Amino acid sequence: EAGVTQFPSHSVIEKGQTVTLRCDPISGHDNLYWYRRVMGKEIKFLLHFVKESKQDESGMPNNRFLAERTGGTYSTLKVQPAELEDSGVYFCASSPSGSSYNEQFFGPGTRLTVL
Amino acid sequence: AQSVAQPEDQVNVAEGNPLTVKCTYSVSGNPYLFWYVQYPNRGLQFLLKYITGDNLVKGSYGFEAEFNKSQTSFHLKKPSALVSDSALYFCAVRRIQGTGFQKLVFGTGTRLLVSP
Repeated sequence: EAGVTQFPSHSVIEKGQTVTLRCDPISGHDNLYWYRRVMGKEIKFLLHFVKESKQDESGMPNNRFLAERTGGTYSTLKVQPAELEDSGVYFCASSPSGSSYNEQFFGPGTRLTVL
Repeated sequence: AQSVAQPEDQVNVAEGNPLTVKCTYSVSGNPYLFWYVQYPNRGLQFLLKYITGDNLVKGSYGFEAEFNKSQTSFHLKKPSALVSDSALYFCAVRRIQGTGFQKLVFGTGTRLLVSP
């Protein structure tokens, strides 16, 4: 069974540019989460999809961040325009529905560097 | 609001010795607790979780963790460390129910260094 995949693995952009991160969850997982870790700090929750619906977007830092999950499969996270403080590692995770005990399965992350 | 504290940035231990990575948490109501490990250039891997029941939870790679409700702690342990255990360890908590209950709240991570 394939795990959670993320693309790209690294992205280096200049301040003001746009970047789109992609996450493919484990097949059949209805729950999809985005998290971010900034420079040695804790991993912080960004948002949670159930299928194509945003269940919780309380962690999205501002309106420069836009997440979508059209069709309830893969998800994209767009940052536009990027700022220096957006640098960090963006993790995607997925989990199946049906039990609230399920752990989340994480992807390898996308390391974003904004210059 | 939930929070997790991992008081040690780094833990050093010699191979073959027991190891402990500390974690304390704060959450309203009963917690679900998790440990994840990140090896270099890899994603987070699930190690173990506490949901309910026995306070001692066993997980992958010989790791275990002890839930202590009175001390609000969930320390990760292993009886005999391996050099290959060297990695970054994250403790996480989530609530059982309520608004946004499924999101994980992580600590800052503890780097474990096992020397030969």
